[in-house]
Amino acid sequence: EAQVTQNPRYLITVTGKKLTVTCSQNMNHEYMSWYRQDPGLGLRQIYYSMNVEVTDKGDVPEGYKVSRKEKRNFPLILESPSPNQTSLYFCASSRDSRAYNTEAFFGQGTRLTVV
Amino acid sequence: AQKVTQAQTEISVVEKEDVTLDCVYETRDTTYYLFWYKQPPSGELVFLIRRNSFDEQNEISGRYSWNFQKSTSSFNFTITASQVVDSAVYFCALRFRGNFNKFYFGSGTKLNVKP
Repeated sequence: EAQVTQNPRYLITVTGKKLTVTCSQNMNHEYMSWYRQDPGLGLRQIYYSMNVEVTDKGDVPEGYKVSRKEKRNFPLILESPSPNQTSLYFCASSRDSRAYNTEAFFGQGTRLTVV
Repeated sequence: AQKVTQAQTEISVVEKEDVTLDCVYETRDTTYYLFWYKQPPSGELVFLIRRNSFDEQNEISGRYSWNFQKSTSSFNFTITASQVVDSAVYFCALRFRGNFNKFYFGSGTKLNVKP
């Protein structure tokens, strides 16, 4: 089954404790991206990747890191989480990096709480 | 600048009523795609439809229909004979040729369908 898989689904952590949210897709998609969803703000892009070893900042990259060492995986790293990073996170993938006409497939979401 | 506006924050209807969710977008690019996603209470994002800027034909899929009007920069979504299972947050999104790296999401409309 074609899918984007995120783990964990739920995470409660403490301020400053490094964490990684994993994302994996099995569709051989070139493009992957991370979004965060906050009430009243919709989804905002954190980082994106056009292909292996090619990543770039989105609209709200502060406090996050990503890497794309393999085509299927695109982990999101919070080196020192803070309470303002409490949010619902989505990983997305899309077939072609330069094809604006393709929809994105989203993971199930990761609800992160930083206390 | 690119922007998607969903002015209706929350709508409540009674089952079997028709309901229209509004989406207004802004872009200077003439080549773009519009999308609708559904986010049920379980949290995942489900792709519903995409429409390119050169195709203003309305689309109907079962109880769902979409009305795209370039003259008013709108891409509205109508659910006919709503059902409780339609209760969800609905997002409209824009992706355009000039910056295919991201989806511009509206803030979402929460639809409550009561029995």
